[in-house]
Amino acid sequence: QSVLTQPPSVSGAPGQRVTISCTGSTSNIGARYDVHWYQHLPGTVPKLLLYRNNNRPSGVPDRFSGSKSGASASLTISGLQAEDEADYYCHSYDSGLSGSVFGTGTKVTVL
Amino acid sequence: EVHLVQSGAQVKEPGESLKISCEGSGYSFTNYWIGWVRLMPGKGLEWMGIIYPGDSDTRYSPSFQGQVTISADKSVNTAYLQLTSLKASDTAIYYCARLDPDFHTYFDYWGQGTLVTVSS
Repeated sequence: QSVLTQPPSVSGAPGQRVTISCTGSTSNIGARYDVHWYQHLPGTVPKLLLYRNNNRPSGVPDRFSGSKSGASASLTISGLQAEDEADYYCHSYDSGLSGSVFGTGTKVTVL
Repeated sequence: EVHLVQSGAQVKEPGESLKISCEGSGYSFTNYWIGWVRLMPGKGLEWMGIIYPGDSDTRYSPSFQGQVTISADKSVNTAYLQLTSLKASDTAIYYCARLDPDFHTYFDYWGQGTLVTVSS
């Protein structure tokens, strides 16, 4: 089991706002290590969605945003769209593991 | 343009070994860390380890230390993931991915993935 915990699933209607949490500890997010987020549609390659907490790579819509507070981080999708239905993972460094770790993953369902 | 191209799907029997390749192009392969990520059926992404092709400095996740071998041949711009004594539980998609050039913390480009099936 990962040291970064995410809710297994979240859902919302088109246009709604959903937030995915990523809860860590004092050895990772709480130690001020950056958090990154990936979107993974089944059958495709994971895609970098946000890097270093709240930065969007070129081409990522601005409805995706990130934040971090204490030992937790969150990804918010504002204005949910059908194509946002995917698995989402947070990613950070853990000093106890001396390496990086992915979160447990969250499946987003668009109702 | 950056590309990471992985070797094709493989079907193996329990106890066998395999080596997956990941060839980088469109950037200076030697100067960027490359990582390996596992995706088991119905499970989440798992960070396995990383390698710096320039000097083959390698770091492993404790979960994979001793279970896999990560290597690189900078002369052919290729990183490798070797698995031995395969078990059915090694059935997964394995991705290689490049770490960002500035902070070496996030994966900015990914390979297409290699499906490994272990079955008797």
